[in-house]
Amino acid sequence: DQQVKQNSPSLSVQEGRISILNCDYTNSMFDYFLWYKKYPAEGPTFLISISSIKDKNEDGRFTVFLNKSAKHLSLHIVPSQPGDSAVYFCAASERGRFGSARQLTFGSGTQLTVLP
Amino acid sequence: GAGVSQSPSNKVTEKGKDVELRCDPISGHTALYWYRQSLGQGLEFLIYFQGNSAPDKSGLPSDRFSAERTGGSVSTLTIQRTQQEDSAVYLCASSARTGTATDTQYFGPGTRLTVL
Repeated sequence: DQQVKQNSPSLSVQEGRISILNCDYTNSMFDYFLWYKKYPAEGPTFLISISSIKDKNEDGRFTVFLNKSAKHLSLHIVPSQPGDSAVYFCAASERGRFGSARQLTFGSGTQLTVLP
Repeated sequence: GAGVSQSPSNKVTEKGKDVELRCDPISGHTALYWYRQSLGQGLEFLIYFQGNSAPDKSGLPSDRFSAERTGGSVSTLTIQRTQQEDSAVYLCASSARTGTATDTQYFGPGTRLTVL
C-alpha cells in the first residue's frame, strides 16, 4: 500500500515556465513533508520542506503547497531552468516514538525535463 | 566537508551469494539510515541506527538482511543468499539528530546491486 503517491512519472516544461509537481498521501499521521531532487548516479538531495501546520513554504524559485484536507502537496518551480531537470521525490514523515527514527516514506518520483 | 560515501558504487553478484555494502556517514552525524530503491519505485526504508541504541529494523524485508554500525560511524549492510528481487540501488543517509522533523537526511550516491 503506497502511502505517498506521485502519479506522474514524467513532466516536460519549457524553460522559463512554471513546473508543478504533485504528490498525494494517505497517512493522516504524516506531519512533515519534503521534496528531494535526484540527478543520475547521485543520491537524493534535500530541496524544500513543509510542516503540517503550514500551507505554504517558499525558498527562492521553489514553493511547496500543502492541502491537508485533500492530503495533497505540490512543488512549484518558477521560472524553470534546464538545470532543474532531474527526478523529484516527494517524501513524508510522522512523529515517531521518543528517540526513534523519523524514517521517510517516499513517492516513486517524477522525472522533470526542462526544455531550453 | 565530505558528504555521505558508499562503496562499492556497483556490485554484480550471482544468486545465492552474500554481499556487503558499506556506508560512511557525515562525520559527527549520529543517525544513519539505509533505504533501497527498486526499479520504478520510491525509496523504501530498511533500517536505522541512532548512537548506541538498538537499531530500528522494522523495514528489513527478510532475515537475509542485516546491518551493523561499528563505533557509531561506518555501517555495513549485509544481504545473505542474494535473490534476483534484491536487485536495487541501496542508499544510505545520515543526519545530525533524530526524532526532529527538521533534521535533514543527507544521502550518499548509493550502491547499485545486480543479482544475476
